[in-house]
Amino acid sequence: SQTIHQWPATLVQPVGSPLSLECTVEGTSNPNLYWYRQAAGRGLQLLFYSVGIGQISSEVPQNLSASRPQDRQFILSSKKLLLSDSGFYLCAWSGTSGYEQYFGPGTRLTVT
Amino acid sequence: GDSVTQMEGPVTLSEEAFLTINCTYTATGYPSLFWYVQYPGEGLQLLLKATKADDKGSNKGFEATYRKETTSFHLEKGSVQVSDSAVYFCALRAPDSNYQLIWGAGTKLIIKP
Repeated sequence: SQTIHQWPATLVQPVGSPLSLECTVEGTSNPNLYWYRQAAGRGLQLLFYSVGIGQISSEVPQNLSASRPQDRQFILSSKKLLLSDSGFYLCAWSGTSGYEQYFGPGTRLTVT
Repeated sequence: GDSVTQMEGPVTLSEEAFLTINCTYTATGYPSLFWYVQYPGEGLQLLLKATKADDKGSNKGFEATYRKETTSFHLEKGSVQVSDSAVYFCALRAPDSNYQLIWGAGTKLIIKP
């Protein structure tokens, strides 16, 4: 069966510091991968998606970036965090048909 | 463009009450429709889905029927429990899309004992 991992689970970072969140998927090959952000009490905002290694599409212009160095690894990064980057970050995967998406446990990021 | 509209929350019910959370959509053709649930502090879990008109998705006592004529996919449960307290998201995948889900804003459900 497939599983998706995210770490860290929680993170408190000062404004201006760098960020690296990691997501890995097990039990499947060539998944589509997604990064979402969920602000407190709000819905989901798609940040990035990837259909293959090195292929990243950005949905929202911001100071975040994503990379996919391996087939089942997806990384969300920032060089300098802003207060507005605080939120709950969710990684998800789907099959290549993009049918339904399966989510990781999320990372709670607080920028102070 | 495609969109999903959910009823605003929070929805507060007593245990064993009947639940309906409304979801309507705008899309061309025949989208696939989904309900996801998010328990506090966790990621989203797929609750149920329907891929064509008149399909009924069901799981854990929850049901939703894909109604093309009313462009709706309302979530129902006959008798809710405290453990059903969560945020529920309705979503669609357009037939010409292979990656993106269009999400509703989510509806928070609170069940009181």
